[in-house]
Amino acid sequence: NAGVTQTPKFQVLKTGQSMTLQCAQDMNHEYMSWYRQDPGMGLRLIHYSVGAGITDQGEVPNGYNVSRSTTEDFPLRLLSAAPSQTSVYFCATSREGQADTQYFGPGTRLTVL
Amino acid sequence: GENVEQHPSTLSVQEGDSAVIKCTYSDSASNYFPWYKQELGKRPQLIIDIRSNVGEKKDQRIAVTLNKTAKHFSLHITETQPEDSAVYFCAARASGSARQLTFGSGTQLTVLP
Repeated sequence: NAGVTQTPKFQVLKTGQSMTLQCAQDMNHEYMSWYRQDPGMGLRLIHYSVGAGITDQGEVPNGYNVSRSTTEDFPLRLLSAAPSQTSVYFCATSREGQADTQYFGPGTRLTVL
Repeated sequence: GENVEQHPSTLSVQEGDSAVIKCTYSDSASNYFPWYKQELGKRPQLIIDIRSNVGEKKDQRIAVTLNKTAKHFSLHITETQPEDSAVYFCAARASGSARQLTFGSGTQLTVLP
């Protein structure tokens, strides 16, 4: 089992460009979420999904879109990248939501110039 | 919403000594308190968690205590080893409609040989 995978590992964008961060899991978990990690600020929830077809906003959703067409995949889209979105992005899955073990992917380091 | 404060931001201890990291939370309805360890360049991984109906939980050299009255919880690592060096994050999850994990800002623990 691969667990939780993320692509790409690294990405550099110019301001205004768009891109999609991919997240896939083979753990058959219903709950998936996206976090961003910035120095001194811990992990902040961007968007989450409790199952295919259902998504909701987290703490810092502005500038990001998500969709969940399958249980396995939960892509994060940056619509028009800004330098403030420079961060490390982690996808996570869990069996029973936020009150359960979060299994994190390896992360994507994004730099916006 | 929930606010989680974590102290200290950095902690250095001698190998074999104990380390204590403390977190306070603001929402008295919070009922789930996990701790994650993140080694340099790696993904966060759950090391221990506690729920609001329990005051203390131990797993080998790691323990977590919860004081609901004071709204704080602590991570205790005994007999520290160099491989304990990492960033540790606490988190709290409120019950109710929000039900999102809120993370602390992290503690960089360094175990000196």
